[in-house]
Amino acid sequence: RKEVEQDPGPFNVPEGATVAFNCTYSNSASQSFFWYRQDCRKEPKLLMSVYSSGNEDGRFTAQLNRASQYISLLIRDSKLSDSATYLCVVNAGGTYKYIFGTGTRLKVLA
Amino acid sequence: ETGVTQTPRHLVMGMTNKKSLKCEQHLGHNAMYWYKQSAKKPLELMFVYSLEERVENNSVPSRFSPECPNSSHLFLHLHTLQPEDSALYLCASSLRQGRDGELFFGEGSRLTVL
Repeated sequence: RKEVEQDPGPFNVPEGATVAFNCTYSNSASQSFFWYRQDCRKEPKLLMSVYSSGNEDGRFTAQLNRASQYISLLIRDSKLSDSATYLCVVNAGGTYKYIFGTGTRLKVLA
Repeated sequence: ETGVTQTPRHLVMGMTNKKSLKCEQHLGHNAMYWYKQSAKKPLELMFVYSLEERVENNSVPSRFSPECPNSSHLFLHLHTLQPEDSALYLCASSLRQGRDGELFFGEGSRLTVL
């Protein structure tokens, strides 16, 4: 079983739509969770950290479900500029070991 | 100027060549990382250095040899690579680890092994 699993997509959605991605992780000792964004032929960049209580940053909402070992990312009112690959990242126990999922590709269509 | 700089951006080498990838960070971070990104695969953590000491080594073949002379520089020495080693090699740095460890990536070095 992969340590971090994501649906690769692509998710094709119209502008203004709401879209949600899930990510599951296998290591129950994982303590820190993140969403990164990677544009085509660019490096990954941090989108947001995922806190136990859930957190929101503008149109983006991230949630953590420890019991089921998954995290989610919700994007509201999608923009063309949201088109990218969204990478789920998990870190176990305050280490330097950041494990990435394969990413979920999002295409927002005009 | 970007925070993490990688050179060269593109590299083509034969299987018998020896080459090196270089990474420099200008962010004052303590940790530096090498990741490998292949098509349709997740980023694979290769090596991590914290304060110039290797802290993670993920079963990487010995044909890849990292070097961290100081906290701002990281190298990946390449020797007798295989065609399946062709990939994007990403360097990253972070100030801390765990929950507070945001990774800042360079633009990557795209390697092609013939």
